[in-house]
Amino acid sequence: DTEVTQTPKHLVMGMTNKKSLKCEQHMGHRAMYWYKQKAKKPPELMFVYSYEKLSINESVPSRFSPECPNSSLLNLHLHALQPEDSALYLCASSPHQGLLSGNTIYFGEGSWLTVV
Amino acid sequence: DAKTTQPTSMDCAEGRAANLPCNHSTISGNEYVYWYRQIHSQGPQYIIHGLKNNETNEMASLIITEDRKSSTLILPHATLRDTAVYYCIVRATGDNFNKFYFGSGTKLNVKP
Repeated sequence: DTEVTQTPKHLVMGMTNKKSLKCEQHMGHRAMYWYKQKAKKPPELMFVYSYEKLSINESVPSRFSPECPNSSLLNLHLHALQPEDSALYLCASSPHQGLLSGNTIYFGEGSWLTVV
Repeated sequence: DAKTTQPTSMDCAEGRAANLPCNHSTISGNEYVYWYRQIHSQGPQYIIHGLKNNETNEMASLIITEDRKSSTLILPHATLRDTAVYYCIVRATGDNFNKFYFGSGTKLNVKP
């Protein structure tokens, strides 16, 4: 099973709402990622968790708050978003890094977020 | 981190081989080259990766030059379903291993 599951697939939220995106994998991967993708642009790295600890934050605004409650789950909490935050949010996972390994990163199908 | 350069778009006739080039002239000795593709509105899909040697799997072949400064992804018999954006990515090592950055990619248009 090489599946990364993201829910919901579509989310519409107002600028004052609080919502969450969820991501789940059961491949035993210990690195999990959030990416943001605007239309016709490549995915942009937002956060990386390694062994349930936040290891990379690409200077993402605090209105995006990631959480990794256990090794299988990754959440992205959303609060006070702006319309320009509307995008496809992608979750991914990969095995623990090995310096000379070529570990594959597996992506989910994404959550389409519209902020109104 | 090694950067990659890819053509913005390419066309390929259905049934013919699609050869997608990528330049990564600043790649380090233990950095891998990965290829992903993204079909419209879907998540990126892993295709293949390699370090030094050429690689082949059921989807594609990866040819890496001897100096490792460039590579070519080959789809041997392109179909309409191969129309997608193809990303060539160089994966860093050490503390930057999880900094997996996408470049601009190549939009491959497979035409009947």
